[in-house]
Amino acid sequence: SFELTQPPSVSVSPGQTARITCSGDSLPKQYAYWYQQKAGQAPVLVIYKDTERPSGIPERFSGSSSGTIVTLTIRGVQAEDEADYYCQSGDRSNSYRDVFGGGTKLTVL
Amino acid sequence: QLQLQESGPGLVKPSETLSLTCTVSGGSISSSSYYWGWIRQPPGKGLEWIGSIYYSGSTYYNPSLKSRVTISVDTSKNQFSLKLSSVTAADTAVYYCARDPFDITIFGVVTRWGMDVWGQGTTVTVSS
Repeated sequence: SFELTQPPSVSVSPGQTARITCSGDSLPKQYAYWYQQKAGQAPVLVIYKDTERPSGIPERFSGSSSGTIVTLTIRGVQAEDEADYYCQSGDRSNSYRDVFGGGTKLTVL
Repeated sequence: QLQLQESGPGLVKPSETLSLTCTVSGGSISSSSYYWGWIRQPPGKGLEWIGSIYYSGSTYYNPSLKSRVTISVDTSKNQFSLKLSSVTAADTAVYYCARDPFDITIFGVVTRWGMDVWGQGTTVTVSS
């Protein structure tokens, strides 16, 4: 199936490390992308091609991939990182479709 | 700096057709390196990919919406558009347009770089 599953919520204290997972059967074959969405704002790309970080995104954001699970890691979490995070994957070579995970609310305690 | 701006009616009646336009400024929609996509977000819910288009007119749709969706491109106006027919209250959402860069090998393998530029979004309410 072409679905991505994320935990609904993750909570961490400032300065700690947050890990948000995304699982899907297609992930071994397709890259994953991560977006941060703060309240009332459009999403912002924070990780592309599983592990790459766009210019302007802080180094504390990183991505990793292992089999059917990709993980967004935020080290030294700051209050400003509180947001919804979405993983996304898609195929333009064969099935030509995209999918987003359900989203994870990151709460900074 | 590339910018995207959605525009269209904020209120649509049930059973009618929702029509939105995304205007691209600061760059050309005719670049061979980008798809252009529509994504929506119902109130309090997650993101849903609606579909994407290439400047040549090739389209890709979410199978769950395919029977109701048409995405088109007008390169002369540097715009692409979304039409969603037979709308219901379930189509009430914030609608975003986004740029989706990619490259392709000589073997036809597409590598995408993530939706890197988004419009601010426009709220569409379906109600009589």
